[in-house]
Amino acid sequence: QSVLTQPPSASGTPGQRVTISCSGSSSNIGTNYVYWYQQLPGTAPKLLIYRNNQRPSGVPDRFSGSKSGTSASLAISGLRSEDEADYYCATWDDSLSAAGVFGTGTKVTVL
Amino acid sequence: QVQLQESGPGLVKPSQTLSLTCTVSGGSISSGGYYWTWIRQHPGKGLEWIGYIYYSGSTYYNPSLKSRVTISVDTSKNQFSLRLSSVTAADTAVYYCARDRTGGSCYFDYWGQGTLVTVSS
Repeated sequence: QSVLTQPPSASGTPGQRVTISCSGSSSNIGTNYVYWYQQLPGTAPKLLIYRNNQRPSGVPDRFSGSKSGTSASLAISGLRSEDEADYYCATWDDSLSAAGVFGTGTKVTVL
Repeated sequence: QVQLQESGPGLVKPSQTLSLTCTVSGGSISSGGYYWTWIRQHPGKGLEWIGYIYYSGSTYYNPSLKSRVTISVDTSKNQFSLRLSSVTAADTAVYYCARDRTGGSCYFDYWGQGTLVTVSS
């Protein structure tokens, strides 16, 4: 059972803006950087956002990340059909059972 | 360009030990600075962090799996490996190896393609 909660699904039409939330606690998001991954069907996850709001080279600026307190968000603006995928947040949890933790995942559908 | 490739049996019997190897190309594990990680994804489910190893051999495991997990490194072959003992059907998953840029962070910039391991008699 993941300690990071995401909505199971989100959707939008091409060109729209979609936002995905990731809710955690003081021992994980509240203390550490948040990372976002995109997983296209049948493929390995791909790094989308690092250190809360930084984009790796090659990731379109349509993708943006933010963090406030114990929550984080990923926004996709100008939604495109190729954005249809699963999205996961991730961070380190500093609790007694310290480990890397992932969010529950959000399936984005382009209508 | 760094590439990672998982290899190992796709079928393991219950109570046996799952063994996978990740071969790294395009970069040297022994150069240091990165934490070589195993992650798994149960069918149709989310991602689970298993543990990592540094080139020096130091490791850190997910407490929920710690009693059954061993991660080792062979710098001469530029490989690192996962062993998971006493497997059950609940260990059926796609296993990924990945490179963590900072350790203790989940900053995975390179991933293997993943390999499905099924636990069944």
